[in-house]
Amino acid sequence: GAVVSQHPSWVICKSGTSVKIECRSLDFQATTMFWYRQFPKQSLMLMATSNEGSKATYEQGVEKDKFLINHASLTLSTLTVTSAHPEDSSFYICSASLGLSYEQYFGPGTRLTVT
Amino acid sequence: TQLLEQSPQFLSIQEGENLTVYCNSSSVFSSLQWYRQEPGEGPVLLVTVVTGGEVKKLKRLTFQFGDARKDSSLHITAAQPGDTGLYLCAGRNTNAGKSTFGDGTTLTVKP
Repeated sequence: GAVVSQHPSWVICKSGTSVKIECRSLDFQATTMFWYRQFPKQSLMLMATSNEGSKATYEQGVEKDKFLINHASLTLSTLTVTSAHPEDSSFYICSASLGLSYEQYFGPGTRLTVT
Repeated sequence: TQLLEQSPQFLSIQEGENLTVYCNSSSVFSSLQWYRQEPGEGPVLLVTVVTGGEVKKLKRLTFQFGDARKDSSLHITAAQPGDTGLYLCAGRNTNAGKSTFGDGTTLTVKP
């Protein structure tokens, strides 16, 4: 149980384009989903917390207009990187949870490379 | 802002050796999780500790939560190459919902 998938697993895009990453909880309903960014050999950096049916809460320093998050259902959240630039290249990981009091289960991550 | 300090940051040992990773904070957490992450993959939950002083064992891994719920340790006995990875601790408070992650410990076990 507690399986979280992400799609795509990797993506290469040109500078200026937008990229959408999907995060799905496959065997449970995720009231809360989290989006993280991770640089090589570093820990996870929380970008935003999203609750189903409401607007995401972004961490300080994260541009909400650049990183659009939608959590339209209890099993799907999407992160759209708009007008991507090379500095947005990173490993993006989502996690899903039954709610704020429950453990997080992580997806396998998405490697984004912006050329 | 709650901070979690992990030490050591990097650890390279020979197969069969023992090791301990520490996770320390000045803040109290409702629970603390330990994750292991391999390159190019997401973190995998190893254990959750909730009670101060709690000790949990997972095969060769022993996890301990400090009495005051501010710190934790992960001890690996007779490390194997398959233990290689990034180990992350994460503290959580029920009211806040989100987790505070440590900086991680990169463990390399050489055969």
